[in-house]
Amino acid sequence: AQTVTQSQPEMSVQEAETVTLSCTYDTSESDYYLFWYKQPPSRQMILVIRQEAYKQQNATENRFSVNFQKAAKSFSLKISDSQLGDAAMYFCAYKSSEWNSQGGSEKLVFGKGMKLTVNP
Amino acid sequence: EAGVTQFPSHSVIEKGQTVTLRCDPISGHDNLYWYRRVMGKEIKFLLHFVKESKQDESGMPNNRFLAERTGGTYSTLKVQPAELEDSGVYFCASSQERWAGVSYNEQFFGPGTRLTVL
Repeated sequence: AQTVTQSQPEMSVQEAETVTLSCTYDTSESDYYLFWYKQPPSRQMILVIRQEAYKQQNATENRFSVNFQKAAKSFSLKISDSQLGDAAMYFCAYKSSEWNSQGGSEKLVFGKGMKLTVNP
Repeated sequence: EAGVTQFPSHSVIEKGQTVTLRCDPISGHDNLYWYRRVMGKEIKFLLHFVKESKQDESGMPNNRFLAERTGGTYSTLKVQPAELEDSGVYFCASSQERWAGVSYNEQFFGPGTRLTVL
């Protein structure tokens, strides 16, 4: 079974600075997806960024970028120019890309999450 | 476009009582998922509906939990009787049909229902 580990329960960063959130995972599959989700206080969880395992190029979405190290099974998220609105719980998640004629499971496997505080 | 909605936002019940959580997916989304986060732990998958059928219910903890999705629209998750360890936040998510012309269908999450069992 796949597992996702976020070893840092909390982090803080100064506004406008850069912060890196770490995530490691374990799987025996060769093809899969990795995600970072963000849940602001009292709000819905939203997808921040997605990485397909077969792609060597690291995904980037504006101020958010990942460092995907497939051999090391590491998937960190870098937030540049941190803003107050980045304060949230961040969850790392894994999804198998396997699919069969019966449909297969689309379940996400999450880490425990990490609370990011942005200081003005 | 309305997002995934969940009701209630918060429920406090006593051990042994029954609670029913509701999820309304994004209109047109065939896939509906239930997840749960117990305080301080991972968000864990409970089950996955494709339309009204249970595609994967491998994460359902025991037979005190009953999920339904009659008509393939909204879904309910009933806990009966509730136990202390059922406390947590229950998330619902939805996504388009797998073969909707995309290689990956993003799951859109609702705000969650916080369940407290006393």
